[in-house]
Amino acid sequence: AQTVTQSQPEMSVQEAETVTLSCTYDTSESNYYLFWYKQPPSRQMILVIRQEAYKQQNATENRFSVNFQKAAKSFSLKISDSQLGDTAMYFCAFMKQGGSEKLVFGKGTKLTVNP
Amino acid sequence: NAGVTQTPKFRILKIGQSMTLQCTQDMNHNYMYWYRQDPGMGLKLIYYSVGAGITDKGEVPNGYNVSRSTTEDFPLRLELAAPSQTSVYFCASRQPHGRGSYEQYFGPGTRLTVT
Repeated sequence: AQTVTQSQPEMSVQEAETVTLSCTYDTSESNYYLFWYKQPPSRQMILVIRQEAYKQQNATENRFSVNFQKAAKSFSLKISDSQLGDTAMYFCAFMKQGGSEKLVFGKGTKLTVNP
Repeated sequence: NAGVTQTPKFRILKIGQSMTLQCTQDMNHNYMYWYRQDPGMGLKLIYYSVGAGITDKGEVPNGYNVSRSTTEDFPLRLELAAPSQTSVYFCASRQPHGRGSYEQYFGPGTRLTVT
């Protein structure tokens, strides 16, 4: 079974600065995908960024980028130029290709952006 | 497109009562999922469906039942509610791998309290 670990329960950052959230995972699968989801106080789950395991290039989406280290099974999220609206819970998630294609989530990191 | 809709948004149940959480998607997605999110935790899979008439258990199915008579609807039934079922419930949907985006689209969630 796959597991996802987020070792930072809470983090804070000053507005306009950069912050990195950590995620590690355990799997014996070869074909899989990794995701970061944002959950603001509204509870809505919002996809931030995704990474295909077969791609060596790290994914980027505007101010969000990942550092994907496949051999180390590490998938960290970097948020640049942090904004107050980035305050939220962030969940790392793993999806094995095939079968149910369910998401396996970490416990989350609560990020607070301070003005 | 309304996306994934869930009703109700909030509900308080007494121990032993039953209820159905409704989930509807208008994106013609084959795959649908029910997750629960306990305080301080990531989401865990309850049940999933890969198409109308096909359902299967996830990690935490005890105390729940599902049905999938149409592509659009995937209701979750709670029989004999227990305090351990106090949680936030999310419905999600997506197309299977290889048919467009593999992003899961989430509903807004239902906060259920059993007392």
